[in-house]
Amino acid sequence: DAMVIQNPRYQVTQFGKPVTLSCSQTLNHNVMYWYQQKSSQAPKLLFHYYDKDFNNEADTPDNFQSRRPNTSFCFLDIRSPGLGDAAMYLCATSSGNGRALNEQFFGPGTRLTVL
Amino acid sequence: AQSVAQPEDQVNVAEGNPLTVKCTYSVSGNPYLFWYVQYPNRGLQFLLKYITGDNLVKGSYGFEAEFNKSQTSFHLKKPSALVSDSALYFCAVRLDSGYSTLTFGKGTMLLVSP
Repeated sequence: DAMVIQNPRYQVTQFGKPVTLSCSQTLNHNVMYWYQQKSSQAPKLLFHYYDKDFNNEADTPDNFQSRRPNTSFCFLDIRSPGLGDAAMYLCATSSGNGRALNEQFFGPGTRLTVL
Repeated sequence: AQSVAQPEDQVNVAEGNPLTVKCTYSVSGNPYLFWYVQYPNRGLQFLLKYITGDNLVKGSYGFEAEFNKSQTSFHLKKPSALVSDSALYFCAVRLDSGYSTLTFGKGTMLLVSP
């Protein structure tokens, strides 16, 4: 089945130690998104790639970076995790052009714990 | 700017009874509206969307939603709730023109009791 895969499902890191979360998709969608979701809150968009074009949300901290080496893969890098970065990180994909972005398909998420 | 309001943090309903989860929106243009469901420790699952056409939209698992332009609402409904419907439900909106991303509501926890 076509899907969005996130690895690992659970990640534990230490305060200040860089961490990378990965997302892959078999849907061949041209748009990929990273969201941060804290306990029972709405997902907060960090950034997204529209094809190869990177779009950063205005309030996303510089501590968060992303890479998209090809259509299928996208990475979220947290350069120096703080305690406040502990959250569920959701990857999503969608297809379409600028006018017709279709619904987003989400991966299962990676729960990040910062010690 | 676009925004979504889900006025209820939690909705409680008995199994077999009809359920409604409320959503109102604000956009400066025509909206695309979505409902997603999230089970514990899982990603969001798409339920249904309104783009254009019939105001009553049918989606997955027997859910439906009614678009009401005059009231700027997009309430989620189901005629007969199941215990397995218990989950966190998110309403989301984006503009139908130009390039915009989704804005999510804060979510409503649905609890269906046996």
